[in-house]
Amino acid sequence: DTAVSQTPKYLVTQMGNDKSIKCEQNLGHDTMYWYKQDSKKFLKIMFSYNNKELIINETVPNRFSPKSPDKAHLNLHINSLELGDSAVYFCASSGGQGLIAKNIQYFGAGTRLSVL
Amino acid sequence: KNEVEQSPQNLTAQEGEFITINCSYSVGISALHWLQQHPGGGIVSLFMLSSGKKKHGRLIATINIQEKHSSLHITASHPRDSAVYICAVRSYNTDKLIFGTGTRLQVFP
Repeated sequence: DTAVSQTPKYLVTQMGNDKSIKCEQNLGHDTMYWYKQDSKKFLKIMFSYNNKELIINETVPNRFSPKSPDKAHLNLHINSLELGDSAVYFCASSGGQGLIAKNIQYFGAGTRLSVL
Repeated sequence: KNEVEQSPQNLTAQEGEFITINCSYSVGISALHWLQQHPGGGIVSLFMLSSGKKKHGRLIATINIQEKHSSLHITASHPRDSAVYICAVRSYNTDKLIFGTGTRLQVFP
């Protein structure tokens, strides 16, 4: 069974559209993350949720809105897509509050978003 | 300047060679990670270090907290080791993970 699963794997869409990427983890973790990886392979955190509560919210456009219906899911909704949103988006999760548990993040396979 | 710098950016090697990838950081950290990103895009956590050295199979990771430097070594490299290797540190002050730009490794048979 996949521990952290993201859907879809590929997403091609037109500028101006609204799209969502879903993420689910079956590890019982209480913290989930969204990362953006740009064309230069640079990973940058966007959001982090702990027990459905937002704890990290980096400076991302407010067109990006994370939604966590429960602690196993963290979905990313993007409004009014722009060309610069094209990237690979990774979801990750981690469990517990101890240093080791908090630091071991399990990543999804990524969603490659192409905005045309 | 990034808070986490890796070198080299690109690395090619012949099968069997000993590989070293370096990571330097400029912030106080509580932990450092080495991640591997496969050509298909999936990311796997290899090591989490806060001091000393860890070994897993042919992979060895070391960290020198005083010098703010870590190295990832691969012994007897193999084409299946071809991937992007990413260093990430957890900032002691902000508790956030900060990523390096990655090192692209290609191992040829």
